[in-house]
Amino acid sequence: DAGVIQSPRHEVTEMGQEVTLRCKPISGHNSLFWYRQTMMRGLELLIYFNNNVPIDDSGMPEDRFSAKMPNASFSTLKIQPSEPRDSAVYFCASSPTGIGNQPQHFGDGTRLSIL
Amino acid sequence: GESVGLHLPTLSVQEGDNSIINCAYSNSASDYFIWYKQESGKGPQFIIDIRSNMDKRQGQRVTVLLNKTVKHLSLQIAATQPGDSAVYFCAENNAGGTSYGKLTFGQGTILTVHP
Repeated sequence: DAGVIQSPRHEVTEMGQEVTLRCKPISGHNSLFWYRQTMMRGLELLIYFNNNVPIDDSGMPEDRFSAKMPNASFSTLKIQPSEPRDSAVYFCASSPTGIGNQPQHFGDGTRLSIL
Repeated sequence: GESVGLHLPTLSVQEGDNSIINCAYSNSASDYFIWYKQESGKGPQFIIDIRSNMDKRQGQRVTVLLNKTVKHLSLQIAATQPGDSAVYFCAENNAGGTSYGKLTFGQGTILTVHP
């Protein structure tokens, strides 16, 4: 069975450029989560979608970050303009319903480097 | 300058030994707990979960113990193998099983298995 699929796996770009990260959740899952992982702060939740609707975006660092989920099988996380401090591994996860007692299943992440 | 990051606890064991990884959680209202395994270059992988109405749950070669009195969670791995080498994260959720609750992740423990 296909798990959560993220692309690209690696992205290197110069500061000021727009970066778009993509995620395909597990088929049938209606909740999707974007996380950021760094050595300094560990794993942080950025935003949570349920049935394609953003429910909690309190973890989005600032207005340079935006996320969309146009349909049940696709989501994007965009950074514009990018800055070196945005360098991190970004993970997408999905769960069947999003209620609190179900595990989230993670993709293998996008390693983002902003020069 | 010197970079400062999370200093993860480490555990080194010999192949074939049993491993115990510990986690102290913060919220006494948390009612659902998960252990994840993260290998280098990959996303967190679900291992086992436990609800707060249980104090022990067993999987294949793994056992999770929950002590709500002292807010402590542990993961026991039997007959540890080199392939078990990874970073292990505990996560807690206090949604009550009825609504969305954020997963709060621990800082992680590095497990190294020596052949």
